[in-house]
Amino acid sequence: GESVGLHLPTLSVQEGDNSIINCAYSNSASDYFIWYKQESGKGPQFIIDIRSNMDKRQGQRVTVLLNKTVKHLSLQIAATQPGDSAVYFCAEGGSSYKLIFGSGTRLLVRP
Amino acid sequence: NAGVTQTPKFQVLKTGQSMTLQCAQDMNHEYMSWYRQDPGMGLRLIHYSVGAGITDQGEVPNGYNVSRSTTEDFPLRLLSAAPSQTSVYFCASSYSRGSDTEAFFGQGTRLTVV
Repeated sequence: GESVGLHLPTLSVQEGDNSIINCAYSNSASDYFIWYKQESGKGPQFIIDIRSNMDKRQGQRVTVLLNKTVKHLSLQIAATQPGDSAVYFCAEGGSSYKLIFGSGTRLLVRP
Repeated sequence: NAGVTQTPKFQVLKTGQSMTLQCAQDMNHEYMSWYRQDPGMGLRLIHYSVGAGITDQGEVPNGYNVSRSTTEDFPLRLLSAAPSQTSVYFCASSYSRGSDTEAFFGQGTRLTVV
């Protein structure tokens, strides 16, 4: 079936560096893509989303890039901080109530 | 606002027991969903609801029932618990207004079936 996956299971970065987390999706019909952050013992927290009619969207310290040609989604975090350490999930769907999640990437920020 | 509230936070069941996981939201969102998260994996959709009285199956619905009698509540019922249902369960509520949409998740219920 259709699925969303991630290239790297663990990413370790130096505090202050930029982080890039990648995600591949397989459903070319998906219209809506989201990045979530999940800290230990907590529910997923919305970071940023993007629609299929866009290729880039920026938030505070975060940027999501969407490449529909190769079905690739990335999350860029600028000036990574210790508080950014968490597991990051990409998700896709046609709506916010019916999402398909990837398996997650753990981001570790070294002091 | 409390957001999305799930109870209980932890639960241990014996195989064959039944129970209901509670989920309530106070944001007046029309949509609600239940997901399960197994270790090292992403969330998988169990059931969802697009409004009071309307529910539908997600990716992994077997062994679970839901109902949506009010906008605020979306309980998930396990009729006969099995060890394979050991997981962390997340409830989400969401809205959609044009291109503006977002899902909010509860803190989760960690269920162990022995």
